Amino acid sequence: DAKTTQPNSMESNEEEPVHLPCNHSTISGTDYIHWYRQLPSQGPEYVIHGLTSNVNNRMASLAIAEDRKSSTLILHRATLRDAAVYYCILRSYNQGGKLIFGQGTELSVKP
Amino acid sequence: DGGITQSPKYLFRKEGQNVTLSCEQNLNHDAMYWYRQDPGQGLRLIYYSQIVNDFQKGDIAEGYSVSREKKESFPLTVTSAQKNPTAFYLCASSITSTLRDRELFFGEGSRLTVL
Repeated sequence: DAKTTQPNSMESNEEEPVHLPCNHSTISGTDYIHWYRQLPSQGPEYVIHGLTSNVNNRMASLAIAEDRKSSTLILHRATLRDAAVYYCILRSYNQGGKLIFGQGTELSVKP
Repeated sequence: DGGITQSPKYLFRKEGQNVTLSCEQNLNHDAMYWYRQDPGQGLRLIYYSQIVNDFQKGDIAEGYSVSREKKESFPLTVTSAQKNPTAFYLCASSITSTLRDRELFFGEGSRLTVL
């Protein structure tokens, strides 16, 4: 299974942008890059996903490197409610579309 | 409202007992998944099903069993053979699309404690 590597934790100040990095050097051409976030004792929540091009939605932006070996989740203005564990995941349809989770990055947001 | 419902939210079990966790979705999704999460860890895949009456083992299937008799339901049984069953269990579902990738929707989870 293709693997992702993320920093264990990051800190941000409220109302500032946050850039969460993810390395996935073994990504294959058919793997999609997904991001989810999880609050304690809750199920993960979908944030964004992409294949090759950068993506934007109401929650965040996803910047994908040209060689696809890394990506960055961008929260444009962090709020206290954005404090969570963020998971960068590769989804492969060669393996039934299952998501293989790593350890994630715990984001803390300071007021 | 459409979504995924897991029950029970909390469950206590004595050693040696089987227990079944329920997962129901009304999103008309084809694919359903079961994950296990231990404290401070990421999610690990137990079983997944892409279509009714078919399912595949994930990375940690030993000691678990599933069925997929209906599209909307994917129950997970934690058997007495599972050595460390105390964990947070999460069910998810997704549309299966040949046109583009789609996201997973997760339930709120079931916390199982073995006494």
